[in-house]
Order: sequence, then structure tokens, then C-alpha cells
Amino acid sequence: DAKTTQPNSMESNEEEPVHLPCNHSTISGTDYIHWYRQLPSQGPEYVIHGLTSNVNNRMASLAIAEDRKSSTLILHRATLRDAAVYYCILRDGNQAGTALIFGKGTTLSVSS
Amino acid sequence: DTGVSQDPRHKITKRGQNVTFRCDPISEHNRLYWYRQTLGQGPEFLTYFQNEAQLEKSRLLSDRFSAERPKGSFSTLEIQRTEQGDSAMYLCASSFGQGIAGELFFGEGSRLTVL
Repeated sequence: DAKTTQPNSMESNEEEPVHLPCNHSTISGTDYIHWYRQLPSQGPEYVIHGLTSNVNNRMASLAIAEDRKSSTLILHRATLRDAAVYYCILRDGNQAGTALIFGKGTTLSVSS
Repeated sequence: DTGVSQDPRHKITKRGQNVTFRCDPISEHNRLYWYRQTLGQGPEFLTYFQNEAQLEKSRLLSDRFSAERPKGSFSTLEIQRTEQGDSAMYLCASSFGQGIAGELFFGEGSRLTVL
């Protein structure tokens, strides 16, 4: 169901950029790429989403490959609070209200 | 606090008992989702409501699981005859939208321990 592949874990140092990769080789033309993250002992929270073009918001940037078969979530300056599990999820834009189907995500550790 | 609220936050029960969890979504949100999460895994989708209509329930884990959203506002998830394997975090999320679904807002979850 998840249709995405992410590394199990990544490590970063505080104040350095972090690039979290996601492969989605079977993506369809109507699939949006969503990223959520889950801090310890909390429910997941939205980070960013995009369809074809790169996207920026206050939390992160999303870089989408030209063929859309992969994407990268970029945290420009990691902080200790960014330590979390990051989930890359495809969601069909043609189906209103479809649920998010989570995989195992990438556990990001941030060291000071 | 105007976020998604779940109650109780923690529930310990004995095997065979029934438990019910409540979710109060963000007030203007018409869509409501239930998930289950076990240790080390991502959230597992269970069921989904749009207003009071349950549009997806095929992923409910067994017939012991049921969910309602009687007036399109709060929702309840009931587990009958609990088993030790039901021990998990139960997450609720809500969103607003008529067409392409928007961002999901999650609650902090209800943790169930079945002894």
C-alpha cells in the first residue's frame, strides 16, 4: 500500500541541512507526494506536499525529481526538535478524502 | 485548545472486556479517520468518515472493531472482547475538504493496554 521506499534511519548534526530521500517509482500522474513527521509520543503532523514542482514552506522544502519517481525532503537547519520519524506518502488527488497509508518511515536522529 | 482531542489518553483493561475511545475533531472538519499504531510501525489506517457516513471500513481489523460518528461531529471507536494483540496506540485525525483531501490533523492518541 505504501508504494514508497525510505531509508530506515538517518543521522544529522544540529544546524546542518538534512536531505531525506524517498523513492516512488510506481507513482501515477495524479498522486501527490506528502510528508508527515511524528515526534516521540505524539501523533503525526503535516510537513509539506507537492505534485510536480518543488515546494517550500516554513518547515521544509520538497524537491521532486523531474520524472517524479523520487523526491527529497530538505530540512535546511536541523534542530534537536526535528528528531522524529518522517513519512513519505503518496495520495491520489483524484480520490477525495482518501486516507494516508503510512509505511515505516525514516527515523531521523539529530545530535548536538 | 482547538486541536483534535482524544479520550481517554490511556486505558488498561483485562482481556475480554470492551473498550471505547472517543475522538473530537477540529470543529469545522467534515472528515475523520481512525488509525492504529504499534511499536516501531507507522500508523495503520482503520476507517474513515465523511460527515456521519462511514465511507471506508474494510480495513477494520476484525468484526470486534466498530466505529460511529452519529451526528457528524465526534466519533467513537469500540473494541469488543479485547485481546492482548489489541494493545496499541489508537490515533484519530480530521481534515476539511469537499474535493481533494487536505492536510490531516492528528490527535495525541489513546494508548490501550490489554492484560
